Amino acid sequence: DTGVSQDPRHKITKRGQNVTFRCDPISEHNRLYWYRQTLGQGPEFLTYFQNEAQLEKSRLLSDRFSAERPKGSFSTLEIQRTEQGDSAMYLCASSLAWPGVPGNTIYFGEGSWLTVV
Amino acid sequence: QQPVQSPQAVILREGEDAVINCSSSKALYSVHWYRQKHGEAPVFLMILLKGGEQKGHEKISASFNEKKQQSSLYLTASQLSYSGTYFCGSGSTGGTSYGKLTFGQGTILTVHP
Repeated sequence: DTGVSQDPRHKITKRGQNVTFRCDPISEHNRLYWYRQTLGQGPEFLTYFQNEAQLEKSRLLSDRFSAERPKGSFSTLEIQRTEQGDSAMYLCASSLAWPGVPGNTIYFGEGSWLTVV
Repeated sequence: QQPVQSPQAVILREGEDAVINCSSSKALYSVHWYRQKHGEAPVFLMILLKGGEQKGHEKISASFNEKKQQSSLYLTASQLSYSGTYFCGSGSTGGTSYGKLTFGQGTILTVHP
């Protein structure tokens, strides 16, 4: 399978615990995105990387959230001291970056469901 | 700013047609359409770039009117497999935001036999 893969697919955690999600993008894609989606809403942008550089972070991404892409391949999204409001599906996506061309196709992974109890 | 989609929900019988609209208050440089089934990831349908190109995918096509800052998705002769939530995403341009998508709130499409 050469699509975007995410792990774990489901995570239930107690409030206050830390959780980490992993994303493996499509192999030749140098852009990697993290989105969050709650029931009945469209995906909301959190952050994205071009290779290992984190180029933008949304204001939604509080200090408890951190994302890394250390070698420009896989990425991790860590949430510290989880709160019930963090319950959502965390989607990873990837694309090629073609400077000057706005039409990069972005492919999503299956998502990681987080439930904070 | 988030694109606005209309209608919020559509109910069809198999074989009927539907149109889903996506409007933006900001200039659109690209529009990306996705379909998402419950509990699954959004699946890419098509992308439209500035210039009013109409792209097709089986019996699904779309248009992009950059003057009106809107895009429409056309589903003809709908099939049961078309059921799901459709999202439009507007592509950003300029600076470090280049290429990221801002999604609308979605349109729920239900196709009945």
